[in-house]
Amino acid sequence: GENVEQHPSTLSVQEGDSAVIKCTYSDSASNYFPWYKQELGKRPQLIIDIRSNVGEKKDQRIAVTLNKTAKHFSLHITETQPEDSAVYFCALTPMNSGYSTLTFGKGTMLLVSP
Amino acid sequence: NAGVTQTPKFQVLKTGQSMTLQCAQDMNHEYMSWYRQDPGMGLRLIHYSVGAGITDQGEVPNGYNVSRSTTEDFPLRLLSAAPSQTSVYFCASSPHLEGTQYFGPGTRLTVL
Repeated sequence: GENVEQHPSTLSVQEGDSAVIKCTYSDSASNYFPWYKQELGKRPQLIIDIRSNVGEKKDQRIAVTLNKTAKHFSLHITETQPEDSAVYFCALTPMNSGYSTLTFGKGTMLLVSP
Repeated sequence: NAGVTQTPKFQVLKTGQSMTLQCAQDMNHEYMSWYRQDPGMGLRLIHYSVGAGITDQGEVPNGYNVSRSTTEDFPLRLLSAAPSQTSVYFCASSPHLEGTQYFGPGTRLTVL
């Protein structure tokens, strides 16, 4: 099945710094790439997504970039705040489920220190 | 709308017991899925459904059964619980192919 590699597994930054998380994948048929934030004990929540006909998308301090040729997409968080501390997951819709499900990366634990 | 709901929130089973995790959504979504989340493994797909009466296996289906008799409900059955099924289980629904997935609050299951 589809494989999604996510790096780094942990990321520690100081408040106000930027954070970047990168994911690579193998299935060139995928067209939808969401990012989820999961706080401790909570459900995953969608924070931003991008489709394959777009190279970059921004929402305030969060941005996602997609390079379909190189098969990687990245999450960028600027001016990080302590409340950004959480586990972040990249995902995509695999062809083998008819694009009806998600395949996830293994997650990045982001710790923002005041 | 209540969104996606799951019951129970917590459950402890003994090895060999069976049980059903309930999932319901009131958004009239066609697509529903079950994932399990284990430390360091991300979320892995167990089973999914593209509409009432249609289900299929995901990445880790062994030991689990599903059915989809209505659009709203998508229960997950553990046939004979094993310690390896200790995990947090999330149900999700989506209105579209390649669309936003909405997650339920999860069920934390421990099998002794």
